[in-house]
Amino acid sequence: GESVGLHLPTLSVQEGDNSIINCAYSNSASDYFIWYKQESGKGPQFIIDIRSNMDKRQGQRVTVLLNKTVKHLSLQIAATQPGDSAVYFCAEQYAGNMLTFGGGTRLMVKP
Amino acid sequence: DGGITQSPKYLFRKEGQNVTLSCEQNLNHDAMYWYRQDPGQGLRLIYYSQIVNDFQKGDIAEGYSVSREKKESFPLTVTSAQKNPTAFYLCASSITLLNEKLFFGSGTQLSVL
Repeated sequence: GESVGLHLPTLSVQEGDNSIINCAYSNSASDYFIWYKQESGKGPQFIIDIRSNMDKRQGQRVTVLLNKTVKHLSLQIAATQPGDSAVYFCAEQYAGNMLTFGGGTRLMVKP
Repeated sequence: DGGITQSPKYLFRKEGQNVTLSCEQNLNHDAMYWYRQDPGQGLRLIYYSQIVNDFQKGDIAEGYSVSREKKESFPLTVTSAQKNPTAFYLCASSITLLNEKLFFGSGTQLSVL
């Protein structure tokens, strides 16, 4: 079977509640950030991105918040559904370099 | 239906054996990448290719090799020199190199017999 998801921090939420997944990034010069969702046995899927000249960006049921002062990124999912269960990870990029990926958080939604 | 196709989904390697993971894309993307995913760790870049007949080593290239003979295809060979090959391997592509938005395949789980 797949190796994704073992030994990851886990967030467990009730269906219908809001979820907040956090990510601390390493480089204060990073100017682009992206969130991916990875379901079991699948490749990562793009959720939402944000540039460093913004501190908030909203999508459909998702919001990304960027706090450059403390190098912190968060993903908020409104009205969490069972289909949101997955591993979520952030990535950062600076000055035309490759994306650097975080280790991920497993979100478990309880019905 | 455009996308990235990886095969096989599961692969087993015997000691001393080389194995090749397939990655095909029909998105007309110039850039392609191979990442390795281990439990609890972020994706690590193995190799990338900006254009046909060109490829560069990533952060963990030792024990791996690639080729880019066609725009659509970027196979990864895990050689016998890679002593710890068990991992989930992800292929990705983007319109151009360093374009932020990567599109990923569904991955190949490689295990050692």
